[in-house]
Amino acid sequence: DAGVIQSPRHEVTEMGQEVTLRCKPISGHDYLFWYRQTMMRGLELLIYFNNNVPIDDSGMPEDRFSAKMPNASFSTLKIQPSEPRDSAVYFCASSRSTANTEAFFGQGTRLTVV
Amino acid sequence: AQKITQTQPGMFVQEKEAVTLDCTYDTSDQSYGLFWYKQPSSGEMIFLIYQGSYDEQNATEGRYSLNFQKARKSANLVISASQLGDSAMYFCAMSPTGANSKLTFGKGITLSVRP
Repeated sequence: DAGVIQSPRHEVTEMGQEVTLRCKPISGHDYLFWYRQTMMRGLELLIYFNNNVPIDDSGMPEDRFSAKMPNASFSTLKIQPSEPRDSAVYFCASSRSTANTEAFFGQGTRLTVV
Repeated sequence: AQKITQTQPGMFVQEKEAVTLDCTYDTSDQSYGLFWYKQPSSGEMIFLIYQGSYDEQNATEGRYSLNFQKARKSANLVISASQLGDSAMYFCAMSPTGANSKLTFGKGITLSVRP
């Protein structure tokens, strides 16, 4: 398996534009997590899915953020409209169905909003 | 709710020596898993070691071992024989065992290995 695949790796956009981040989890993994990493806040869990169903989105900062998982092999995180304070590295991770196994992370998307 | 605390702002260790990175946690769950990840300067997140809350033995993976003290709610990572490539950020994380496993991370600790 190629691991968790995120795209794009880097994104630079202007304030007010819509940004869509994409993630392909490892096949057979039931859990998918979206994290945001900044120097100030560290790794924040934004939302996670179990079998394509959003379980906890309490970490989503504002209504400008939305996430979907239309099928087991694809998820998106959308920011609309984007703001400079959204600049961060966004990680997607997936894991199997129990807490006894580690989560595998994608390479991350470095988002810069100017 | 669960919480992970990593208070060491930055750690330094001499090459070939051992170092302990601290992690304490708080949870109301009876069954949970504890994890350590490494993030080098290149940015990827690398899984290092796992400890189950009901495991009687401390977990070990090569040069990594986890000093698990359940009563104190601590899960410290011990790296033996430090190498220059161990210089990185280290994150402690935990997840309850159950249908909905929310994986929560601490703030991380920076480790620098001196030659």
